[in-house]
Amino acid sequence: AQKVTQAQTEISVVEKEDVTLDCVYETRDTTYYLFWYKQPPSGELVFLIRRNSFDEQNEISGRYSWNFQKSTSSFNFTITASQVVDSAVYFCALRSGSTLGRLYFGRGTQLTVWP
Amino acid sequence: GAGVSQSPSNKVTEKGKDVELRCDPISGHTALYWYRQSLGQGLEFLIYFQGNSAPDKSGLPSDRFSAERTGGSVSTLTIQRTQQEDSAVYLCASSLSSAGNQETQYFGPGTRLLVL
Repeated sequence: AQKVTQAQTEISVVEKEDVTLDCVYETRDTTYYLFWYKQPPSGELVFLIRRNSFDEQNEISGRYSWNFQKSTSSFNFTITASQVVDSAVYFCALRSGSTLGRLYFGRGTQLTVWP
Repeated sequence: GAGVSQSPSNKVTEKGKDVELRCDPISGHTALYWYRQSLGQGLEFLIYFQGNSAPDKSGLPSDRFSAERTGGSVSTLTIQRTQQEDSAVYLCASSLSSAGNQETQYFGPGTRLLVL
């Protein structure tokens, strides 16, 4: 079975604070793909990053960074020096190698950044 | 267009009526996906198409739901005899293909369906 857990339902921070969003996944497949999406108040899901199971290299993109650890089945997302525009719901998703097509989403984390 | 488009943006209907939701994928994308987002259930997969065929439609909640895709492009999701529990945002996504390294899904703005 495939499952994604985002234990943090809501997080509030003040602008310029760093914040980490947690994602834990479950799959028996050896090949799988992990994703993060952002859903701002406008409602459209925006793709942020994708990681393949065979590539554990962490990634930094501007203020965003991702920490993929197969040993703990986690794919955490950190925003450095958060800004008000980062306020959104963030979804972690899993696509397994054995189930074509579908993404399994976590329940999302609502991030609110206060000025 | 540059992105996935969906129509209508909003749809209000009466219980028992049929509705059709449309999705126009990114040009050149062969795979198309439908999801549903509701408060109680989060983001749920409904069906996906590779070309005009649907290898996985296991997420359709009942036989009142059907979808088709013609010409490898536009897809229509039809809900017959709508019920109040069908109220949700219906999201469409497309990807270059469903093969592992080409299947990043890009989402449209969604259709907000309200069944009264």
